[in-house]
Amino acid sequence: GDSVTQMEGPVTLSEEAFLTINCTYTATGYPSLFWYVQYPGEGLQLLLKATKADDKGSNKGFEATYRKETISFHLEKGSVQVSDSAVYFCALIDLAGTALIFGKGTTLSVSS
Amino acid sequence: NAGVMQNPRHLVRRRGQEARLRCSPMKGHSHVYWYRQLPEEGLKFMVYLQKENIIDESGMPKERFSAEFPKEGPSILRIQQVVRGDSAAYFCASSPQALSMNTEAFFGQGTRLTVV
Repeated sequence: GDSVTQMEGPVTLSEEAFLTINCTYTATGYPSLFWYVQYPGEGLQLLLKATKADDKGSNKGFEATYRKETISFHLEKGSVQVSDSAVYFCALIDLAGTALIFGKGTTLSVSS
Repeated sequence: NAGVMQNPRHLVRRRGQEARLRCSPMKGHSHVYWYRQLPEEGLKFMVYLQKENIIDESGMPKERFSAEFPKEGPSILRIQQVVRGDSAAYFCASSPQALSMNTEAFFGQGTRLTVV
């Protein structure tokens, strides 16, 4: 079945450092891909998405490009802030369109 | 427009008791999804409901768990005879129509169930 694999955390960075969180997926066809963010004690919020190959999703300085060749959707940010500390989830919509399939999440901790 | 509302935020139950988790979707949303987040795990899909109908329950444990989304009122996730392994965060999400590249799911803040 469909699945998402993302890099293990936690990721610990200093403020203004460059961030990459890797995400690869296994799916039938070319599903829409998403990054969600979960701040402490909160639910998930959609961060960005891409719906077809070579699409780039971007929001709040975060970017991710849908790479069909490498079946990847890595999340990047050029300069992280303390407020970016959260858990980041990569996800796709399953073939039936009934559910989001999530990776295990990557905890990001940014210190000043 | 209020977001997805889940209550209670925290629920403590003794082993063997029943847990009822409630989810009120966003206004105008008729599609509801329940997910479970275990410690050190990602979110696992449990069930997808549309008003009065279960569309996909492939992620629901076969026993003790049930879900409903009545015509009136919130969606309910019910766990009977809880065990310690049921301790987790349960998240509800809603959408105005079936998920697609153009339809976003909005998540509630979750109910954290602790079984003692």
